[in-house]
Amino acid sequence: KAGVTQTPRYLIKTRGQQVTLSCSPISGHRSVSWYQQTPGQGLQFLFEYFSETQRNKGNFPGRFSGRQFSNSRSEMNVSTLELGDSALYLCASSLRLDTQYFGPGTRLTVL
Amino acid sequence: AQKITQTQPGMFVQEKEAVTLDCTYDTSDQSYGLFWYKQPSSGEMIFLIYQGSYDEQNATEGRYSLNFQKARKSANLVISASQLGDSAMYFCAMRVLTGGTSYGKLTFGQGTILTVHP
Repeated sequence: KAGVTQTPRYLIKTRGQQVTLSCSPISGHRSVSWYQQTPGQGLQFLFEYFSETQRNKGNFPGRFSGRQFSNSRSEMNVSTLELGDSALYLCASSLRLDTQYFGPGTRLTVL
Repeated sequence: AQKITQTQPGMFVQEKEAVTLDCTYDTSDQSYGLFWYKQPSSGEMIFLIYQGSYDEQNATEGRYSLNFQKARKSANLVISASQLGDSAMYFCAMRVLTGGTSYGKLTFGQGTILTVHP
């Protein structure tokens, strides 16, 4: 079974731009979660989607948004990028509330 | 709210020896899952082992075992017979399995960097 895939793997943007990251879960998994990892804040939960519905959201500004499609693929969008948004963005999928399996991540650099 | 504490920023171990990585947690929920993940320098989070709050036996997965002490709220990871490839960052995490504002999300500790010496 193929694992979680994330595209792109690396991204360089400038302040004020917006970015869209994509995540394809493991086949059959209906839950997709997003996390931001930075050296200063560690791993922080962004949001979780289950069957196209946002089930939970972390403490991030409204510039961070996401969605899930009927095939369980998910995208997250960050608008008006700030330098502090530079991070590794990790996507994870699970069947429901069991083990989350992570993708390789998208490393975003904001200049 | 949930909290995971990993008090060891870095650990060193000799190849083929065992090492214990500490993890304590805090939650008022009765039903939860505890996880350990490994993150090599490449960045991908690799699932290692899972322990449910109602599991009476400690979880084991190959060279990994989880020393679960519910009363002390600790979930230490034991790696036996360390290998050079075990050098990585290790994260302890918790997921609440009941409803509420924490539904579904993983709460992570700050991680422990493990270095295996030849």
